[in-house]
Amino acid sequence: SAVISQKPSRDICQRGTSLTIQCQVDSQVTMMFWYRQQPGQSLTLIATANQGSEATYESGFVIDKFPISRPNLTFSTLTVSNMSPEDSSIYLCSVPGGPSEQFFGPGTRLTVL
Amino acid sequence: GQQVMQIPQYQHVQEGEDFTTYCNSSTTLSNIQWYKQRPGGHPVFLIQLVKSGEVKKQKRLTFQFGEAKKNSSLHITATQTTDVGTYFCAGRNTDKLIFGTGTRLQVFP
Repeated sequence: SAVISQKPSRDICQRGTSLTIQCQVDSQVTMMFWYRQQPGQSLTLIATANQGSEATYESGFVIDKFPISRPNLTFSTLTVSNMSPEDSSIYLCSVPGGPSEQFFGPGTRLTVL
Repeated sequence: GQQVMQIPQYQHVQEGEDFTTYCNSSTTLSNIQWYKQRPGGHPVFLIQLVKSGEVKKQKRLTFQFGEAKKNSSLHITATQTTDVGTYFCAGRNTDKLIFGTGTRLQVFP
């Protein structure tokens, strides 16, 4: 199984600012996924981050708003740019764990005032 | 795009009662996974179903994959307070996991 850590675990930010969330995995993985979970809602995939190439964004998410870095096979960052209260969510990174399951980090709980 | 819906959205049961959540996809799935998210926690993998009509059991939990591979169900027998949480089904679309809307289970002692 993969052990995933995220920083920060939570933050309260002012609108118009940006926050970078870090995700560290204890093993090398080709793909890392970033999800958003709005309060009381399901998980929505933001993008897939592959090492050595640009991230692939899902419909409704753009690179200018959610730039992603993937400098190596164990680390990724997601930035939430020019934040508004609508960005208040839990942001989770995730990695595949073999042929079936997917492992999730503990999440970053973001509140935008 | 692919949509995965779950019913009910919420379920409150008395401890000892059974619970079932149903998952329906707008497209045929190659496989279906189930996750549990405790309050304040992150999703944790429970099981994967691959074959049409497949049934798997984990203690009090029974998982089914529909014959058409477009629906699935999770049944919990004799719920306990430790079963509290939100249960998500998730369908795989190539490399991506698309999560269902979730069913939040509350169990009263």
